[in-house]
Amino acid sequence: GEDVEQSLFLSVREGDSSVINCTYTDSSSTYLYWYKQEPGAGLQLLTYIFSNMDMKQDQRLTVLLNKKDKHLSLRIADTQTGDSAIYFCAERTVYNTDKLIFGTGTRLQVFP
Amino acid sequence: DVKVTQSSRYLVKRTGEKVFLECVQDMDHENMFWYRQDPGLGLRLIYFSYDVKMKEKGDIPEGYSVSREKKERFSLILESASTNQTSMYLCASSPPPLEDQETQYFGPGTRLLVL
Repeated sequence: GEDVEQSLFLSVREGDSSVINCTYTDSSSTYLYWYKQEPGAGLQLLTYIFSNMDMKQDQRLTVLLNKKDKHLSLRIADTQTGDSAIYFCAERTVYNTDKLIFGTGTRLQVFP
Repeated sequence: DVKVTQSSRYLVKRTGEKVFLECVQDMDHENMFWYRQDPGLGLRLIYFSYDVKMKEKGDIPEGYSVSREKKERFSLILESASTNQTSMYLCASSPPPLEDQETQYFGPGTRLLVL
């Protein structure tokens, strides 16, 4: 079945790069997404990547997709305290185009 | 900008009470979703609606029901609240995937505590 896994916690120093990882099992993904959830708030779309791409860059964010290993990562350059949040990856598959399958979420903590 | 609003940010209810969580979106989206979010479990889909009066069970529908009488409003109902339904509830909406990158837009969430 469909499964999306993430590590639960990541702690980085302000100014360093953060890399948040995600693995998925369904090879029929069409789009993969990264969402950010700030404390007490809903989820906000950060970026997405089409499954036939390897990389997408958007300002401080870089998404890397390794289809062979079914591995997705989000790199945040020059991490700031405002980046502290929970980050969710999600996939859309060809079999169920209306729904997204979410990962467990990674809590990123940025310390000075 | 898409706006998804939820009727309450925080709610405290007693075991056995009937609870209504309301969600409204202003972008004429066909699809609406209810999730619950628990630490370490991520988001789990409770119910999904793809049109007025249409609904589909998600991964964890037990103990919940939904109502979609109007396109912009999707209600989640806990018929008899239990303590294991203490959670953060998130509503989302999306248009049909005519353009594949269309994603879901989320409300701010309702944190429900059942005593």
